[in-house]
Amino acid sequence: EIVLTQSPATLSLSPGERATLSCRASQGVGTDLAWYQQKPGQAPRLLIYDASNRATGIPARFSGSGSETDFTLTISSLEPEDFAIYYCQERKRWPTFGQGTRLEIK
Amino acid sequence: VQLVESGGGLVQPGRSLRLSCSASGFTFDDYAMHWVRQAPGKGLEWVSGISWDTNSRGYADSVKGRFIISRDNDNGALYLQMDSLRAGDTALYYCVKEGLWNAFDFWGQGTMVTVSS
Repeated sequence: EIVLTQSPATLSLSPGERATLSCRASQGVGTDLAWYQQKPGQAPRLLIYDASNRATGIPARFSGSGSETDFTLTISSLEPEDFAIYYCQERKRWPTFGQGTRLEIK
Repeated sequence: VQLVESGGGLVQPGRSLRLSCSASGFTFDDYAMHWVRQAPGKGLEWVSGISWDTNSRGYADSVKGRFIISRDNDNGALYLQMDSLRAGDTALYYCVKEGLWNAFDFWGQGTMVTVSS
């Protein structure tokens, strides 16, 4: 089973700052990795698929990079609506999720 | 795309429950489907998935042997039969569509399952 480890657990930043979230896989997954955003009381929303492709309607300030075991989600300039929990997910065989990174307002 | 879950509720440990998901707005039998759950205040946990043609089904170790996933392509429906329920199964259960590149592109709003005596 592939284990995804996200860091940091909590990230405290201010609007306008740059956010960098990490996801590390216990074994290589190629680029078979996605990122999701979840706000309180809402279902998760797909942000990034195939490591670096933005899903439909996702703003350009969101970008993904990486391959095999090391992946990054970057939010170039934080907007107030970006403060949420972010999950990575791999799909090499059956899916697994990381434990999440909470992005909070500083 | 719409995914609408139903069938959740309060159930005693050891009992069974069947979740349903009604799908619309896309060609249902073209896509794999999944159940993902989220315990209160916790992260996302993949529970089970089924290929478009039902030939491939997968389960998380935590539910293997107790849960069965199925689908009805003629009626655009996904199901999860949950037997021998435990307190640890208490969660919001999401019905999820798998899109291109194996990502989960659409999620339902979830149905809550509470296992308690």
